[in-house]
Amino acid sequence: DIVLTQSPATLSLSPGERATLSCRASQDINNYLAWYQQKPGQAPRLLIYDASNRATGIPARFSGSGSGTDFTLTISSLEPEDFAVYYCQHRANWPLTFGGGTKVEVK
Amino acid sequence: EVQLVESGGALVQPGGSLRLSCAASGFSISDYYMDWVRQAPGKGLEWVGQIKTRPEGYTIYYGPSVRGRFTISRDDSKNSLYLQVNSVKPEDTAVYYCIRNARAWFDPWGLGTLVTVSS
Repeated sequence: DIVLTQSPATLSLSPGERATLSCRASQDINNYLAWYQQKPGQAPRLLIYDASNRATGIPARFSGSGSGTDFTLTISSLEPEDFAVYYCQHRANWPLTFGGGTKVEVK
Repeated sequence: EVQLVESGGALVQPGGSLRLSCAASGFSISDYYMDWVRQAPGKGLEWVGQIKTRPEGYTIYYGPSVRGRFTISRDDSKNSLYLQVNSVKPEDTAVYYCIRNARAWFDPWGLGTLVTVSS
């Protein structure tokens, strides 16, 4: 199984700051990676697919990059509604797996 | 509006069974692969399984921790997805999400239904 390792586990930042989240795959997954955002009490929401494509309705402050084994989700300037947990997920082979998540919290 | 509404979650004893349902609206599930993902309380996300469309023979894939105990099915005429959960264990306690698989990614997700396994 492909293991996705997200870092850091927690990111403490202030509104307006830049957030950089990492997801590392245990083997080459090409660009078959997505990012999801989950707020407390809500279902996850697709942010980024195929490593760098924003999903419908996702603000431009969210961007994704990477290929192979190393991927990054960047939030250029944190808005109050961006404080949440972020998960990466691959679709390179079976089984599909998720990373353990990065919590972005208010500093 | 595209919407997925799960139901059927309940308290069930270890070794018991349960059937979860997911009613879709705003789109036809016959055009999409459909997936289930679960989330244990306070934990991360775990993919449960996927069912493909009729042209692909309704092929199904399962995650390793549920294979042999869980069964995914669909009724395109009712625009609904199902998850039969058998031989449940305490570690199956989770919110179960029904998801449309769009362009091979999960979008959107349902609100989820809680399954609690306890004696």
